[in-house]
Amino acid sequence: DAKTTQPNSMESNEEEPVHLPCNHSTISGTDYIHWYRQLPSQGPEYVIHGLTSNVNNRMASLAIAEDRKSSTLILHRATLRDAAVYYCIPDSSYKLIFGSGTRLLVRP
Amino acid sequence: DAGVIQSPRHEVTEMGQEVTLRCKPISGHNSLFWYRQTMMRGLELLIYFNNNVPIDDSGMPEDRFSAKMPNASFSTLKIQPSEPRDSAVYFCASRGLAGDTQYFGPGTRLTVL
Repeated sequence: DAKTTQPNSMESNEEEPVHLPCNHSTISGTDYIHWYRQLPSQGPEYVIHGLTSNVNNRMASLAIAEDRKSSTLILHRATLRDAAVYYCIPDSSYKLIFGSGTRLLVRP
Repeated sequence: DAGVIQSPRHEVTEMGQEVTLRCKPISGHNSLFWYRQTMMRGLELLIYFNNNVPIDDSGMPEDRFSAKMPNASFSTLKIQPSEPRDSAVYFCASRGLAGDTQYFGPGTRLTVL
């Protein structure tokens, strides 16, 4: 299983963009990169995933490095509701192995 | 769709008692997962079912834990006897196709006194 490294915490001001980095240098060629987040007192929820190309959806964008050893989750305009723990998870099978994630604090 | 449903949402019990946690996956999903979350160990996968069959139970802590999935719409996680170190939030998740998104339930917060 690929190992991931994420900052323990990050802070952002409301309505500003946030870039959440993740290093996954041992990722295999077939592993998708998934991002989930966990809001306080809730179960994790899916944010976005990708393989090689950058991806966009209504929640966020995912920028994947050309060598796939790192990726960045981009929240274009952080809101207070985006305060959560964000997990970067390489996934090649059924298992989601959650690391410690990045706790995002959003200042009003 | 109601999403993944878990019950109870909170459970407080005494050491030595049997605890049963319940999960109803999203209709049509054929994979079900049980996770446990603690401050010390984070989120851990306990067991994974595919088409009601346990595929990987390597995360189940010990024989006191057992999980069943008698049909596609129901699963249970049982702890017997319970111990204080079992106190945690237990999440159930379901998934449709392989490689697809996992959808998590709201969790059951278990406290064993």
